[in-house]
Amino acid sequence: SAVISQKPSRDICQRGTSLTIQCQVDSQVTMMFWYRQQPGQSLTLIATANQGSEATYESGFVIDKFPISRPNLTFSTLTVSNMSPEDSSIYLCSVEIRGGGRANEQFFGPGTRLTVL
Amino acid sequence: AQTVTQSQPEMSVQEAETVTLSCTYDTSENNYYLFWYKQPPSRQMILVIRQEAYKQQNATENRFSVNFQKAAKSFSLKISDSQLGDTAMYFCAFMKPTGTASKLTFGTGTRLQVTL
Repeated sequence: SAVISQKPSRDICQRGTSLTIQCQVDSQVTMMFWYRQQPGQSLTLIATANQGSEATYESGFVIDKFPISRPNLTFSTLTVSNMSPEDSSIYLCSVEIRGGGRANEQFFGPGTRLTVL
Repeated sequence: AQTVTQSQPEMSVQEAETVTLSCTYDTSENNYYLFWYKQPPSRQMILVIRQEAYKQQNATENRFSVNFQKAAKSFSLKISDSQLGDTAMYFCAFMKPTGTASKLTFGTGTRLQVTL
C-alpha cells in the first residue's frame, strides 16, 4: 500500500482566487491521479499525472483551469484557478500501485475539502 | 466507454445482519478489474475488495465477499456480520488495465447505514 497526505485538508476561498493542493506519497510511484468529488456525488477523474511529462486531462477539464505539476515520483500539485462556487468539492489524489501481488490498485489521499464563496 | 451503475442510493442494515450491495457495469472488454471502495463519513476512501475478471472464484476479504457474474456484468458486495464501523458510502469501480495509466470509473455510490 501507500501512505498519501494532502495539504490543505480544507479551505474556504473567495471566488476569482486560486488554490494549490499538494499531494505527497511515501514511496515512488509512476502514476498519480486527481479526482473531484462534488457534494454527495461520485468521483470524477480530472487528470492523470505522469512524472516527467504533461498531465493528461479528461473530457471537461482543461489545463488552464486545473494546472498540474509532477516534479518527482513522490509529489504532485493541483491548482484550481479562478475559482467559482461551482468548484466547491472534495479534491482527491490517488496513486496506482503495480507489482507485489496487488497490481493495478489505486490508493487515495484523505482529500481536500474546498468551499468557494 | 465503460459505465458503472449502483441502483441503491441508500441502504440500512441492523448490526450483525448481512447486507448485499448491487453493482452492474457495461463494457466490451474481456480483461479488467472490479473494486469496491468504502468512504466513511468525512474519512479517507479505502479499498475493500478487488476482483480480476479472469478469475472465476469470487474474492473474499474477511466479512466482505463478492458475487461476480461476468456474463451478467454484475458485481455485488456482501457484508456479513455488519458492524457499526461499516457505516459508509460504498463505491463500485471498474478498471481496464493498460500499459500506462489505468483509469477507474466509479458508480454513483450506495450509502450504507448500520443500526443497532
